[in-house]
Amino acid sequence: GAVVSQHPSWVICKSGTSVKIECRSLDFQATTMFWYRQFPKQSLMLMATSNEGSKATYEQGVEKDKFLINHASLTLSTLTVTSAHPEDSSFYICSAKRYSVNNYGYTFGSGTRLTVV
Amino acid sequence: KQEVTQIPAALSVPEGENLVLNCSFTDSAIYNLQWFRQDPGKGLTSLLLIQSSQREQTSGRLNASLDKSSGRSTLYIAASQPGDSATYLCAANTDKLIFGTGTRLQVFP
Repeated sequence: GAVVSQHPSWVICKSGTSVKIECRSLDFQATTMFWYRQFPKQSLMLMATSNEGSKATYEQGVEKDKFLINHASLTLSTLTVTSAHPEDSSFYICSAKRYSVNNYGYTFGSGTRLTVV
Repeated sequence: KQEVTQIPAALSVPEGENLVLNCSFTDSAIYNLQWFRQDPGKGLTSLLLIQSSQREQTSGRLNASLDKSSGRSTLYIAASQPGDSATYLCAANTDKLIFGTGTRLQVFP
């Protein structure tokens, strides 16, 4: 149980175009999801917290107009990289907060490798 | 702002050694701390989760300890194997997961 599906697993796009990445919780409801970015040989950096039915909360230094996040349902959050540039090439990973009886944990998607040419 | 640091940044050892990976965090008000493994170009695999009220967790050859007051966690890997080669990440949970800088481990035969 507690599976998060992330699509696509990789994408190549031309500079200036927009790319949408989906993150779905398959067997649980996720009121909160998170988006991370990872550059080569670096750790995961939190970009934003996505809350179902409300606006996302962005970390300092992350452009909200460039990285559009939509969390329209309890099982789906999307990240759209608008007007992508080569410096946006990175590994993007989502995670969903899941609740159990006494606490909660996080389940991660398998990631999306974005290459902007 | 929570900052998480891992030492060492990289480690290369022969097979069979017992290993210690260190993680430190600046904000001790955490709910839990989690250790992950990441293979090159892949996503994350959760290894161990320690709640703030716990001192340690064990899974097979892995043992993680937590000293919340000092802001430290340690991951012990016993009898290391080449298949353990990966990047190990710790993450502190303060209602959102903040990841450490990672330790790249290579175990050679």
